[in-house]
Amino acid sequence: AQSVSQHNHHVILSEAASLELGCNYSYGGTVNLFWYVQYPGQHLQLLLKYFSGDPLVKGIKGFEAEFIKSKFSFNLRKPSVQWSDTAEYFCAVRGNTPLVFGKGTRLSVIA
Amino acid sequence: GAVVSQHPSWVICKSGTSVKIECRSLDFQATTMFWYRQFPKQSLMLMATSNEGSKATYEQGVEKDKFLINHASLTLSTLTVTSAHPEDSSFYICSARGGLAGRANTGELFFGEGSRLTVL
Repeated sequence: AQSVSQHNHHVILSEAASLELGCNYSYGGTVNLFWYVQYPGQHLQLLLKYFSGDPLVKGIKGFEAEFIKSKFSFNLRKPSVQWSDTAEYFCAVRGNTPLVFGKGTRLSVIA
Repeated sequence: GAVVSQHPSWVICKSGTSVKIECRSLDFQATTMFWYRQFPKQSLMLMATSNEGSKATYEQGVEKDKFLINHASLTLSTLTVTSAHPEDSSFYICSARGGLAGRANTGELFFGEGSRLTVL
């Protein structure tokens, strides 16, 4: 069965700092990978996804993620965070089962 | 983007009663809907997958007689928590997958805002 691990439970950054949130998954087959974001009081929404092709995926709001197959990783990055990026971020994987989510990483951006 | 709406967003009920949560896809037809449960500081755990017009597929450990799922139309799925107990208190989130008019199904899930259930 597939599983997803997000290593950081809570990350606190100052505005303009760079962000990298880790995501590792366990599944040996072909996977689809997703990052979802949940802003306070709002729905989960898709940030970006990887199905195939270029392993460096660009999403909305300046986010990107890199699929490294050999490391079973799909880390989320943003060069310069803003206060409005404060949210909960979920990595998700779909292999041979419906979407499986990581536990989420809470990002707090302070001025 | 596609919109999925859940109702109610917050419900408090007495132990032993049943609660129904609705999930609607507002601007697309959702051939498949998923129901998740999220405990505080935990991940979203898939409870069941429902396909329009057929019985839901439940994940291991989820009691199908307790969590009744109905997906009678392409825009509505309901989750009924029967004989609710305090341990059923949780955040229930639905998501839908389906093709938007003129667009291929990309596999993206669209999420509802969630329903917080508190059982006293």
